[in-house]
Amino acid sequence: DIQMTQSPSSLPASLGERVTIICRASQGISNNLNWYQQKPDGTIKPLISYTSNLQSGVPSSFSGSRSGTDYSLTISSLEPEDFAMYYCQQDASFPPTFGGGTTLELK
Amino acid sequence: EIQLQESGPGLVKPSQSLSLTCSVTGCTITSGYDWSWIRKFPGNKMEWMGYITYSGSTNYNPSLKSRISITRDTSKNQFFLQLNSVTTEDTATYYCARYNNYYFDYWGQGVMVTVSS
Repeated sequence: DIQMTQSPSSLPASLGERVTIICRASQGISNNLNWYQQKPDGTIKPLISYTSNLQSGVPSSFSGSRSGTDYSLTISSLEPEDFAMYYCQQDASFPPTFGGGTTLELK
Repeated sequence: EIQLQESGPGLVKPSQSLSLTCSVTGCTITSGYDWSWIRKFPGNKMEWMGYITYSGSTNYNPSLKSRISITRDTSKNQFFLQLNSVTTEDTATYYCARYNNYYFDYWGQGVMVTVSS
């Protein structure tokens, strides 16, 4: 299985701050990387697919990119509703696997 | 609007079977997508468990292959998870989700299942 290493596991941040979460795959995944947000009530929704495709309805403050083997989720200016848990997930190789999650919390 | 809703017992005894239902509205489960079960453990690790395709074939995570079964009832637009011989390590929140080619685009709310005697 491809291992997804996500960092940081916890990210204290302030409103309006720009933050970045990173996922690194144990082998090449050719941009087959998705990002999800989990709210405190358990609701999960997709944010970004295939590295950088913003899902419908997701604010433009969210963006995804790749640099070498590192895949990043960036939130350009934090809003109150952005404080949640974030996961990456690779779909390049069976079985699909997830990163360990990042808790974005209010500083 | 597409909605998925998990249901099932919140408590299962060790060595017994865990059975969950995912009820889908707004999209028929025979309509060209795959339908997955995913779980999130205490401590936040997430694991894809398996899926049933729109045509009824299945594919499972090799880590679970001997214990898992995913079936469906197309007349009720539901699909099901059965996980046999559960242990406390199977305590998790279980989600059903629609798989749209390369990502999970709709998720249920999740149902917490505790394995305990």
